[in-house]
Parts: sequence; structure tokens; C-alpha cells
Amino acid sequence: KQEVTQIPAALSVPEGENLVLNCSFTDSAIYNLQWFRQDPGKGLTSLLLIQSSQREQTSGRLNASLDKSSGRSTLYIAASQPGDSATYLCAVRRFSGGYNKLIFGAGTRLAVHP
Amino acid sequence: KAGVTQTPRYLIKTRGQQVTLSCSPISGHRSVSWYQQTPGQGLQFLFEYFSETQRNKGNFPGRFSGRQFSNSRSEMNVSTLELGDSALYLCASSLSGQETQYFGPGTRLLVL
Repeated sequence: KQEVTQIPAALSVPEGENLVLNCSFTDSAIYNLQWFRQDPGKGLTSLLLIQSSQREQTSGRLNASLDKSSGRSTLYIAASQPGDSATYLCAVRRFSGGYNKLIFGAGTRLAVHP
Repeated sequence: KAGVTQTPRYLIKTRGQQVTLSCSPISGHRSVSWYQQTPGQGLQFLFEYFSETQRNKGNFPGRFSGRQFSNSRSEMNVSTLELGDSALYLCASSLSGQETQYFGPGTRLLVL
């Protein structure tokens, strides 16, 4: 059974810091991995998607890496800003028994203070 | 391009009632997935529809059902509501189901 774990559960940093969020998964047979952010009471916003054949993806101040063999992904946020405060979720897509679905981690709640 | 829309945004029901939630995907997207989010269980996959057919299903009881129309709009129905069904229900759309998922704002359901 695929399990997705995100560490830390919560993080508080001063503005301007570079930070790394971690995501680990137990089954390396994934199709892709996606990072999302969720603002309180809102839906999810897609940040980056990494295909299983890729090692990393970049968008602006965000960089996500994927190491399938070790079952890990990291989301690097450069020069953090208060507007980055949100919950960050990673999700892996895998095929199992004919089913194809996204399995989410519990998220990392990030607070960036001025 | 308009994003994923969900209606209603908020809903209050009592135990035993039934509820129908609606999701309109991004134009051109044929896959619609539904998720339940609660503080205790996090985000859990309910089901996915593609071209009016349920293609994937999570581990939820039969009280949870859905359908998809020819214009890709989807509805989710929960019958005989229980207190534990209180949650944020999110739908997501994508072109064919395996690419980037785009989420709607969610419907917050409170069961009293």
C-alpha cells in the first residue's frame, strides 16, 4: 500500500530564507508526483508536476526534485516571502490493480513571517 | 480560461438527508476526480470520471456516488448523510487524468 509522508508537519521561517520541504513515498512504482499549495479554506493550486522519468522541475522560485529509487521528493523555495505561507502537499500518482489515483501526504504547514 | 468551479460553496444538512454537489471542469478537460478532505484523514480520493464513465474508485461506501455528463460536468451524491461526512469536497479536472490536476475551490459540507 502506497503511503506518502511529509516532513516537517509545520515550519516557521523569517522572510528571505531558503527552505526545503520533504516528501517520501513507500512504493517507487509511481507515474508522476505533484506538489500543491493550499491556502486556508481554499482549494489546491498546482505548483509543479514531475514525471517519473524526470529528476526535477523548476518554476520561478520553486524547484522540485524527484529520486524514485529512494522514494523521495523535495520542494525547494528560494527567498521565501510572507505570501508563501500556506500548506504544501505532495501527491503521487500510481497505477494499482487497474486503478490510477493520486495519493496525498498530510502536508507541511508553512508560515513565513516578516 | 475559466478554472474549475464547484457549487454550492457551502452546505448545511442534517443526518439522514442526501446531498448533490456539482463540479464544472476546465473547458476541454475530460477527466474529473473527487476528493474528500478532513482534518483527521487528510485528502482522500473518492472517484474519477472520464467520458461519462467511472474509471477509478477509492475506498468509500456505496452512499457516495457520482456521474458525469456529456459536457464533462460532474455531480457527486451522498445519501443518508452521517456526521462523519462533514468535510471539504474538492473536485479536480485534467485533460485525460494523468496530467496536472486543477482543483476547484471546494464545497464545504456540514452535517448536523
